[in-house]
Amino acid sequence: DAKTTQPPSMDCAEGRAANLPCNHSTISGNEYVYWYRQIHSQGPQYIIHGLKNNETNEMASLIITEDRKSSTLILPHATLRDTAVYYCIVRVSGNTGKLIFGQGTTLQVKP
Amino acid sequence: NAGVTQTPKFQVLKTGQSMTLQCAQDMNHEYMSWYRQDPGMGLRLIHYSVGAGITDQGEVPNGYNVSRSTTEDFPLRLLSAAPSQTSVYFCASSYSASSSYEQYFGPGTRLTVT
Repeated sequence: DAKTTQPPSMDCAEGRAANLPCNHSTISGNEYVYWYRQIHSQGPQYIIHGLKNNETNEMASLIITEDRKSSTLILPHATLRDTAVYYCIVRVSGNTGKLIFGQGTTLQVKP
Repeated sequence: NAGVTQTPKFQVLKTGQSMTLQCAQDMNHEYMSWYRQDPGMGLRLIHYSVGAGITDQGEVPNGYNVSRSTTEDFPLRLLSAAPSQTSVYFCASSYSASSSYEQYFGPGTRLTVT
């Protein structure tokens, strides 16, 4: 299974873009990159996922490098409610559906 | 849709007691799974099911049983609770096990074993 590396913590000013990096240098060609977040004491929440191309939805944008060895989650206008632990996950291929959660990045959005 | 629901929200057990954590989803999802989260750590997979009647072990299955008699429900049974099972338990579901689908998580059950 491809492993991911994320910084343990980051700060961001409210209203500014939050750029959360993730390294997944051993990713396989058929593995997706997923981002989830966990707001304190709640269940993880799906944000976005992608395979090769950049993706955007109402919550965030996902930028995947051409060699797929790293990616960046972008929250375009961070709010205080975006304070959470953000997990970058490389989804195991096959039919197990398994998500391997690492330590994630604790994003603190400050006023 | 209610999404993924879990009951109870909180539970305290004595060592050796048994109990069942309930999980239900109303999205007609084939895939369901159970994770546990210990303080300061990421989630670890306990058991999962790719459809009714089909279950398999995850990363940390010891001490837990599951069954999947219906598409909607995926209960987790603790056979003989131990203090090491003190944790927060999350149930998740998705349309299928395929990596192209996102998973939806329930609000969690906070279990303390004394």
